[in-house]
Amino acid sequence: DTGVSQDPRHKITKRGQNVTFRCDPISEHNRLYWYRQTLGQGPEFLTYFQNEAQLEKSRLLSDRFSAERPKGSFSTLEIQRTEQGDSAMYLCASRRMTAKDTQYFGPGTRLTVL
Amino acid sequence: DQQVKQNSPSLSVQEGRISILNCDYTNSMFDYFLWYKKYPAEGPTFLISISSIKDKNEDGRFTVFLNKSAKHLSLHIVPSQPGDSAVYFCAATGGGNKLTFGTGTQLKVEL
Repeated sequence: DTGVSQDPRHKITKRGQNVTFRCDPISEHNRLYWYRQTLGQGPEFLTYFQNEAQLEKSRLLSDRFSAERPKGSFSTLEIQRTEQGDSAMYLCASRRMTAKDTQYFGPGTRLTVL
Repeated sequence: DQQVKQNSPSLSVQEGRISILNCDYTNSMFDYFLWYKKYPAEGPTFLISISSIKDKNEDGRFTVFLNKSAKHLSLHIVPSQPGDSAVYFCAATGGGNKLTFGTGTQLKVEL
């Protein structure tokens, strides 16, 4: 396994700009998850996909956030009209669909909104 | 509401001694529990997990204990090494979907 990869690792943007992050899961992992982590907190669930279908979205995911996984492989997370409160580490994880299987995390994308 | 709680924000132990990290949960639907280790500016790294049908799982220096009646789990690291210094997160899931994390415990292993 090559592991979960995320790009970019760091993003600095000005308030009001749009940003897009990419996640490449471990190959053959059907499920892909997005989490957000702020300072002093554990990761918080945002959304997840099974193949290309988005099956659950957290209420943390406002209408400025959109996630896609068009071909069931990589996924993108877009934030429109960024706000300073969006500054966080955005984490992607993947796992096989087998029940109870472990989620493996990527290195994360650190977003700073000025 | 915080469904997974790690009440100790930090823990300091001597090298070679045992580290015990604790975690409590409130949701009875949780049936699978995991521990992750995290270094600054990196993603969480999976350490060890336990299903609710077990009360103990061991992997090398790491052992996780689950007490379902008390809704409590703990991670034991023996012997502790300086490289174990990191933030440890407890996580739980029900039905194998999203993970709910605690707020983490910063472990420092001193020489």
